[in-house]
Parts: sequence; structure tokens; C-alpha cells
Amino acid sequence: DAGVTQSPTHLIKTRGQQVTLRCSPISGHKSVSWYQQVLGQGPQFIFQYYEKEERGRGNFPDRFSARQFPNYSSELNVNALLLGDSALYLCASIRRGGWSTDTQYFGPGTRLTVL
Amino acid sequence: AQTVTQSQPEMSVQEAETVTLSCTYDTSESDYYLFWYKQPPSRQMILVIRQEAYKQQNATENRFSVNFQKAAKSFSLKISDSQLGDAAMYFCAFQGGSEKLVFGKGTKLTVNP
Repeated sequence: DAGVTQSPTHLIKTRGQQVTLRCSPISGHKSVSWYQQVLGQGPQFIFQYYEKEERGRGNFPDRFSARQFPNYSSELNVNALLLGDSALYLCASIRRGGWSTDTQYFGPGTRLTVL
Repeated sequence: AQTVTQSQPEMSVQEAETVTLSCTYDTSESDYYLFWYKQPPSRQMILVIRQEAYKQQNATENRFSVNFQKAAKSFSLKISDSQLGDAAMYFCAFQGGSEKLVFGKGTKLTVNP
């Protein structure tokens, strides 16, 4: 079975622009979490979606939004990009999600650079 | 709020030797899960091992084992017979009764031939 896939691999944007990142979970998994990993730090939780509903949100501004589609894939949108948004964005696939503690399996990430 | 602390920014080990990476955490929850993830230069975060807090027995996965001390809130990772492919960033992570993983800042492991 295919693992977690993310696209694009790399992305370069300028300040003020908007970006959309995509994630497809492992087949059979119904939940997706998004994390931001700034260089030299551990990942920080942004969102979790389960069955198309937001089940958790980290301490990120409203410029960050996400959604989950009927096929359980997900998009992360970031508006009005700032230099500080430059990071590796990781998507994690979870079998059930919500308030379960199923193991989270990560994709390869999208490297976003904001100039 | 939960916090995870990895006090060793960098560690090195000789090939075939054993190394232990340290992790401490702070929580008021009684039921939770702890994880070690490995992130090689390819960036993919790979699960190494998982420990349920309610289990007294330490988790083991081949050459990887943990020393889980619940009262001390300590969760160290031991890598035996280290291999060149073990070189990576290692992250300790906590998950309590919510949907998110809380990560430490990581330990960079170098394996010397």
C-alpha cells in the first residue's frame, strides 16, 4: 500500500502570497493532521481533521486554514505569507483520529520558502 | 500544557556500539502515549517505537528499546548495535487525551564508522 503522499515537494513564494499544500493519507485512514517544522525545531501541531470535520487546532493565526475531502485527502492553505512561514509542512495520516491515540504516520513533507 | 525536553542536541556513537538518547516530559495526565520518531536527511518522519503509559513493560523493536520511568517522567531510547543508517534526527513525542503530538526539539545522532 502507498504511504502518505504530499505535494508539492518544494515551493517558493513571496511575502503576501497564498499557498495550498496537499496531502493524501494511507488507504483506509480517515484522519489527517498537519504540522509545521521550522528549521532546527520539532514539529508544531497546526490542525487535525477527521471525517471532514476539524477536531483540533494548534496555536496558529487565522491565516492558516485546512479542509478534508470525501476521499479523506486534505489541503492546508496559508494566506498573506510571512517570512516566518518558511518551514517544512508535514502531514500525518491516522487510522481513526479524533480522540483516539492511533499512531500518526508522516508523509515526506512540503518545503515552503517565503522570500 | 504538556512539554517534552530533549537535553542532548547532538550525540555520536561508533558503529556497532550502543547509545542512549534522553527525553523527559511534563504532564498532569495519567493516560498517554510516548513515541520516538526518526527523521533522516530525506525529511520523512519515521516511527521508531511507541509506549503506552499504562504498560509497565518497556517497548522493544528489534535493536531499539526504551526505558520508561513513569514516576520520573522519563522516556529514553536505547539503540543497540548502531548502524550507519541510524544516523538521523531523533524526536521524542507525547500524545495525551487530545489529537496532537507534542515534540521535543530533537537529538542529532551521528554514527561513526
